[in-house]
Amino acid sequence: DQQVKQNSPSLSVQEGRISILNCDYTNSMFDYFLWYKKYPAEGPTFLISISSIKDKNEDGRFTVFLNKSAKHLSLHIVPSQPGDSAVYFCAGSTTSGTYKYIFGTGTRLKVLA
Amino acid sequence: KAGVTQTPRYLIKTRGQQVTLSCSPISGHRSVSWYQQTPGQGLQFLFEYFSETQRNKGNFPGRFSGRQFSNSRSEMNVSTLELGDSALYLCASSLVERAAAFFGQGTRLTVV
Repeated sequence: DQQVKQNSPSLSVQEGRISILNCDYTNSMFDYFLWYKKYPAEGPTFLISISSIKDKNEDGRFTVFLNKSAKHLSLHIVPSQPGDSAVYFCAGSTTSGTYKYIFGTGTRLKVLA
Repeated sequence: KAGVTQTPRYLIKTRGQQVTLSCSPISGHRSVSWYQQTPGQGLQFLFEYFSETQRNKGNFPGRFSGRQFSNSRSEMNVSTLELGDSALYLCASSLVERAAAFFGQGTRLTVV
């Protein structure tokens, strides 16, 4: 059962435009979400997080939106840069019991110069 | 401050063998988690340790085991290796619960 789904395996965007990466979850107990970026041959790097008490969190060029009723979150990158080309993972966790993060399958973003 | 260190970076093993992977967390981090990454499956949670206790375990067979030492360093062991165990194994550490985890570069295991 894939509790966190990233239905777009890949996305191509022109440099300077907005990149929108989507993530859906099924577990209504998830209350904290993270986005990670991963370059080849490196471990994932934390990008931005959002708690379920918020619907938006912004950090520089990165903004995450959370729609709890739709169980959907999205990561917006504005403006997109070639260095943003990487695989992006979203992850959710719950407060029930001890925490663990459930990751999606990732979306490969390619920013075209 | 040194990051999360995983050794070795690459491993080739034969079916039926066993393997031990090592992870040194960021200094002061007491929570260590392990993930398996395979193409199309994302990062699958294996287990999480905190202060030498396994607090959470993913849906993996008993061939996958781990432990954490008093200095927070962690090891992961896979016995009776199968071809399907070929993957990138990632270790992550965090200072406190629910904090964003810092990942190591991973160990690429190939089973032939």
